[in-house]
Amino acid sequence: DTGVSQDPRHKITKRGQNVTFRCDPISEHNRLYWYRQTLGQGPEFLTYFQNEAQLEKSRLLSDRFSAERPKGSFSTLEIQRTEQGDSAMYLCASSHPPGGQGQDRYNSPLHFGNGTRLTVT
Amino acid sequence: ELKVEQNPLFLSMQEGKNYTIYCNYSTTSDRLYWYRQDPGKSLESLFVLLSNGAVKQEGRLMASLDTKARLSTLHITAAVHDLSATYFCALPWWFAGNLIFGKGTKLSVKP
Repeated sequence: DTGVSQDPRHKITKRGQNVTFRCDPISEHNRLYWYRQTLGQGPEFLTYFQNEAQLEKSRLLSDRFSAERPKGSFSTLEIQRTEQGDSAMYLCASSHPPGGQGQDRYNSPLHFGNGTRLTVT
Repeated sequence: ELKVEQNPLFLSMQEGKNYTIYCNYSTTSDRLYWYRQDPGKSLESLFVLLSNGAVKQEGRLMASLDTKARLSTLHITAAVHDLSATYFCALPWWFAGNLIFGKGTKLSVKP
């Protein structure tokens, strides 16, 4: 279990450019989440995948944002025409579905990656 | 809509002292999570509390849940510098993976 990995760790881009982030979840987790965290705040939910299906999207996710998980493994989050307000830490998390045996499967806490810090200049 | 409030938001402690962080929430929930975040790092799951009266302890940290009062506490015993971090409580809203986080409590333990 190598944990949730995200790439890149840091991204600096100019306003108006497109950026794409990648997330590799823990291999046996079929649920994947994207969150955004700004300075001094807790993370905020953006979107959720179960296998390759995107099941929920927050109203925070404007039409400039798109997320995919084409084969039910890794996921990408793309932001088009970036704005300065997009500057934040983008966190990916994965989890087991609730139920099944073992404490972790029942409790299904989210396991977070180290995040991608985006700075839009 | 679920609202989660933590207090205090900032806490400066001396090593060896005890203190409690409070997490209040506005609507019924079947579980509550505590996470720790070090600067520039990800969130680490500390505790999952599933029922009224649940108490969990790990080292110098003890978390409890009172669902009737909609209150969870994270108690720190004999603080050490290694506990310096930001602590978040979070509860699921609408579905399990949609966690609503508090603003976090930034803990600084000084010698």
